[in-house]
Formats: sequence, C-alpha cells, structure tokens
Amino acid sequence: DAGVIQSPRHEVTEMGQEVTLRCKPISGHDYLFWYRQTMMRGLELLIYFNNNVPIDDSGMPEDRFSAKMPNASFSTLKIQPSEPRDSAVYFCASSHGTSGGARTQYFGPGTRLTVL
Amino acid sequence: DQQVKQNSPSLSVQEGRISILNCDYTNSMFDYFLWYKKYPAEGPTFLISISSIKDKNEDGRFTVFLNKSAKHLSLHIVPSQPGDSAVYFCAAGAHNDMRFGAGTRLTVKP
Repeated sequence: DAGVIQSPRHEVTEMGQEVTLRCKPISGHDYLFWYRQTMMRGLELLIYFNNNVPIDDSGMPEDRFSAKMPNASFSTLKIQPSEPRDSAVYFCASSHGTSGGARTQYFGPGTRLTVL
Repeated sequence: DQQVKQNSPSLSVQEGRISILNCDYTNSMFDYFLWYKKYPAEGPTFLISISSIKDKNEDGRFTVFLNKSAKHLSLHIVPSQPGDSAVYFCAAGAHNDMRFGAGTRLTVKP
C-alpha cells in the first residue's frame, strides 16, 4: 500500500486566493482526519470523517475552512479566502475502526502551505 | 483548550543515555495513549501505544509509562541513538477522537 497520499506537497499562494488540499486515505480505512501543524500550537485536529460523514468539525478555525469527503478514497480541505495566518503544514491521516474504536492513525507526508 | 500538553519543547541527551519525554493530559475520559515520531518533511509515524488498563508497555528500546491518577505519561528510550533525533508527539483520546500535544524535539548527540 502506498500509504496516505497528499497533494500538493507544497503550495504558495497569495492572500485572498482559494486553496484546495487533497488527500487519498489508505484503502480500507474508514476514518479520515485533517490536522494543522504550527510552531505555536503543534498538531491541531481540524475535522474527522467516518465512512465519508463528517463527525466532528469543531476544530475548523472559521467559515473560511471547509472539508469534504465525496467518497471513501478522496477528501479535500479548502480555504477560501486564504490569509497569511493560515500558513502551516496540513496533514491528512486515516485509520481503521474496530469494535474498540480506531486507534493508530497513519499520516500522509503533509502539505506545506504558505500564504503571502 | 489544550487537553494534551508536552511542556518541554526540546530535549538533548547523549548517545547511549536514557531519553525521557513527558506528557500530561486533562481529560479523564481518555482511555488510549500513543506516541508518534516525526522526522522533518515527513508525516508523524506511530511509535508505541498504551491503553488505560495498563501502566506500562514496552517495545524494544521504547517504553511508555502511564500514571492515570496523575494524568501523566512518559516515553523512555534506552539506549538513545542519534537516529532517534526527531520530534515526538504524545496523543491521547477516546475512540477515534485523538488529541495531540505540541511535540518535543529530541536531539541525541553522538
């Protein structure tokens, strides 16, 4: 398995532009997570899905952020309009749920976003 | 509201010595705890975990200790190797809702 795939790996954009980050989870995993890593706050959970349904989006900073999971093999995180303070590394992770609950999450390589 | 805290942003140890990374959590509902290791330009990778029914889990050079009454866990690496130099994230949660600490950067000097 190729693991969790994220694209692009790097994104540089100007303030006000729309940014779309993409994620392909590991095949068979039914949970998908989006995180943001910053120096100040470490890894923050933004949103997670179970079977393509958003379960908890309380970590999404504001309405400029939205996430979708149209099918089991694809998810997007969109920022519109982007701002310089959105600059961070965004990680996608997936896991497989069990009767005891999914535990180990497998992370993608991340997308480094720079908003000028 | 940081439910998982790693109060030491960095730690430096000599090769061959023990590395101890600490983590505190606030939510008593957390029943599963993990440590992740992260190298630059890569995503975090799972290292070791422990459930709340245990107080110790060992895997080779890595041991995680859990003190539920103190809401504290620690990761011991013995002996430390230069290849262990990375950022270590503590994570805690219940079911599928995991919360991560801010990370501790470990540097193992040859």
